[in-house]
Amino acid sequence: NAGVTQTPKFQVLKTGQSMTLQCAQDMNHNSMYWYRQDPGMGLRLIYYSASEGTTDKGEVPNGYNVSRLNKREFSLRLESAAPSQTSVYFCASSWGDSPLHFGNGTRLTVT
Amino acid sequence: GESVGLHLPTLSVQEGDNSIINCAYSNSASDYFIWYKQESGKGPQFIIDIRSNMDKRQGQRVTVLLNKTVKHLSLQIAATQPGDSAVYFCAENSGDYKLSFGAGTTVTVRA
Repeated sequence: NAGVTQTPKFQVLKTGQSMTLQCAQDMNHNSMYWYRQDPGMGLRLIYYSASEGTTDKGEVPNGYNVSRLNKREFSLRLESAAPSQTSVYFCASSWGDSPLHFGNGTRLTVT
Repeated sequence: GESVGLHLPTLSVQEGDNSIINCAYSNSASDYFIWYKQESGKGPQFIIDIRSNMDKRQGQRVTVLLNKTVKHLSLQIAATQPGDSAVYFCAENSGDYKLSFGAGTTVTVRA
């Protein structure tokens, strides 16, 4: 049972490049989330999907788009990467208001 | 602004002693709180949670205390072990499937 799987684990982009971060969960959870983690700031919610077919903005959505491809998969896209998007990105999933289960993160550097 | 915060960014503890990690929250309407542990290079891992209709909840070597009067949350770890070295986050359920995280406390266990 893998839980929440994120790919890639590491990525380096140049300013203006685009990329998609992938996330998949095998726990049959309804809700999925994308957070970013920056030093000294904890985790901040970018987007979430309460159920398949729905997505909503979180605290810091600017510069990102998401797709809830199916119940298992929730992707995060950076259309034009900026140095301010250098961060560690975490995907999480949950059933209702149960505790979130997190993946091990994607470490993104934008130069 | 951040609605959840931790009192101290770092905590150094002697192996075998008890650890107490504190957290203050500002949203009096929050009804669900969670503690997470994050080890280096990994995603946050659920430790224990508590709902607002409780004052105390115990797990294996961990206890969470909730004081709604002063909007304070604490995590107590009994007989701290080297494996407890990590960053600890409290999180607050602010509704609509969203969790707000504090900046975290780094716990270092001294041998």
